[in-house]
Amino acid sequence: GAVVSQHPSWVICKSGTSVKIECRSLDFQATTMFWYRQFPKQSLMLMATSNEGSKATYEQGVEKDKFLINHASLTLSTLTVTSAHPEDSSFYICSAREGTRREQYFGPGTRLTVT
Amino acid sequence: ILNVEQSPQSLHVQEGDSTNFTCSFPSSNFYALHWYRWETAKSPEALFVMTLNGDEKKKGRISATLNTKEGYSYLYIKGSQPEDSATYLCASYNAGNNRKLIWGLGTSLAVNP
Repeated sequence: GAVVSQHPSWVICKSGTSVKIECRSLDFQATTMFWYRQFPKQSLMLMATSNEGSKATYEQGVEKDKFLINHASLTLSTLTVTSAHPEDSSFYICSAREGTRREQYFGPGTRLTVT
Repeated sequence: ILNVEQSPQSLHVQEGDSTNFTCSFPSSNFYALHWYRWETAKSPEALFVMTLNGDEKKKGRISATLNTKEGYSYLYIKGSQPEDSATYLCASYNAGNNRKLIWGLGTSLAVNP
């Protein structure tokens, strides 16, 4: 149980284009979803937290107009990187939590390369 | 600033060896400590969530202890196997830090057959 899928697993896009990443909880209701980013040799950094049906809460320094998060259902959250630039190239990974449980269940991540 | 530190950064052991590594975290406003196991190209797998000082948890050959007063947790692997090769991450959840997990850099374990 507690499986989270994430698509795509990798994507290459041109500078200026937008990329959408999907995160789905397959066998539980993800009342809260988290989006993380990891740069090489750095730890996972939380970008934003979203609760189903509500606007996402972004961490300091993360541009909400650039990283659009939608959590419209209890099984799906999307992260759209708008007008991507090479500096947005990174590893993006989502996690989901059910209700008040402490565990977060992770997707396998998405490697984004912006050329 | 809340920092979580893990040591060593990487570790190479022979199959059958037992090993352990450390996670250090600020002890103030402590709420929970998470351990994850992350194999390359896979999703991080939740191992333990620990909350009580002195707590010890076990999952097969892997166990963990927690000292919230001094701010550290140990992860032990008994009789390492090649399939234990992965990065082991810890994350601290402190009530005063906007209620979010703060992650360490991980310990990369390689078990040689």
